[in-house]
Amino acid sequence: AQTVTQSQPEMSVQEAETVTLSCTYDTSESDYYLFWYKQPPSRQMILVIRQEAYKQQNATENRFSVNFQKAAKSFSLKISDSQLGDAAMYFCAYRSAYGQFYFGTGTSLTVIP
Amino acid sequence: GAVVSQHPSRVICKSGTSVKIECRSLDFQATTMFWYRQFPKKSLMLMATSNEGSKATYEQGVEKDKFLINHASLTLSTLTVTSAHPEDSSFYICSASGGGVSYNEQFFGPGTRLTVL
Repeated sequence: AQTVTQSQPEMSVQEAETVTLSCTYDTSESDYYLFWYKQPPSRQMILVIRQEAYKQQNATENRFSVNFQKAAKSFSLKISDSQLGDAAMYFCAYRSAYGQFYFGTGTSLTVIP
Repeated sequence: GAVVSQHPSRVICKSGTSVKIECRSLDFQATTMFWYRQFPKKSLMLMATSNEGSKATYEQGVEKDKFLINHASLTLSTLTVTSAHPEDSSFYICSASGGGVSYNEQFFGPGTRLTVL
């Protein structure tokens, strides 16, 4: 099975500042998808952003962007202009060519007013 | 669109009883549904993958006789925890993908908290 590693169990950021959450993964596949999900206290998983491995261009969604380094198997999430509502657990996820998803251990993000 | 519901949201049961959790895709046909288990402040652990009309594929270490999964229609999958024990207490999350929505994404239900006394 593929493994997904998030080395930062906790992160904090000042409101309006920028924070980067790291994620690395291990795979022998060449075609796959990567995702960042947000899990607020309600525990509902919310898709933040996704990246297709075959695309070289980094995905962006408003204040959220990724730095996808395929050769290094790295997929970090940058949150710009952090808002209080961004506080949550963030999970990096890998979707294999067979459709299975594998999640990292999560990063708990605190936003300081 | 792409809404997934779960029922019940919370359930408390006695040890030895069985509990059924339903997962429904409300506005799309889910050819594939996934069941996860999440411990407090931990990641999601994939338990099994089910495709409509066929047997579920269980991850290593997950007892298929204990966690029965049925995916009888394109909008409904059920997880039955048989002979539940306190160690089965956890947060169970389903997700769905396929047909009419992006195949490469999965959409999550709100989860079910199971407490076994």
